[in-house]
Amino acid sequence: AQSVAQPEDQVNVAEGNPLTVKCTYSVSGNPYLFWYVQYPNRGLQFLLKYITGDNLVKGSYGFEAEFNKSQTSFHLKKPSALVSDSALYFCAVRDKWVTGGGNKLTFGTGTQLKVEL
Amino acid sequence: NAGVTQTPKFQVLKTGQSMTLQCAQDMNHNSMYWYRQDPGMGLRLIYYSASEGTTDKGEVPNGYNVSRLNKREFSLRLESAAPSQTSVYFCASTRTSGERTDTQYFGPGTRLTVL
Repeated sequence: AQSVAQPEDQVNVAEGNPLTVKCTYSVSGNPYLFWYVQYPNRGLQFLLKYITGDNLVKGSYGFEAEFNKSQTSFHLKKPSALVSDSALYFCAVRDKWVTGGGNKLTFGTGTQLKVEL
Repeated sequence: NAGVTQTPKFQVLKTGQSMTLQCAQDMNHNSMYWYRQDPGMGLRLIYYSASEGTTDKGEVPNGYNVSRLNKREFSLRLESAAPSQTSVYFCASTRTSGERTDTQYFGPGTRLTVL
């Protein structure tokens, strides 16, 4: 079965510093990977996805993610963190494709990012 | 274009009561999903509907039923609520079931408490 792991429950970073939120995955076949962000009392918002091609994927709000096949990782990064980036971040992987089975995702447990002044 | 909408936003039930959570999308998406979110457990899929007229169980379907009323609407029913169903419920949709990298779009959630 497909799975993702987010090893850190919380990441703290100072505003202006670079941030990394870690994600590792386990899949059979090609990995289709996603990052979502959830602000307090809101639904999940799509940030970016990896399908194929360049290992560095750029997304919304200045975020990017680095796909590393050998390390089975898909870490989320941002060069300079903002206080407004404080939120809950989820990594997700597309479930194994079954015709007519929908685009199901398996989510990690989430990482709370706290950016402080 | 409202995207994915959910009603109600909040609900408190007593054990044994029933209720239906409503979800609608206006993006002409084929597939719809119901998740529950619990602290430390991420999102877990309850049921999904790959296309109008079909529904299938996800990871945690026990205690729930669903109805895909039409292409726009996908409801989740709790027949006899239990405290273990206290959670935040999210509905999501994707454009087609044939596009493997489809992005899921989420509603704002329903916060349910069962006493």
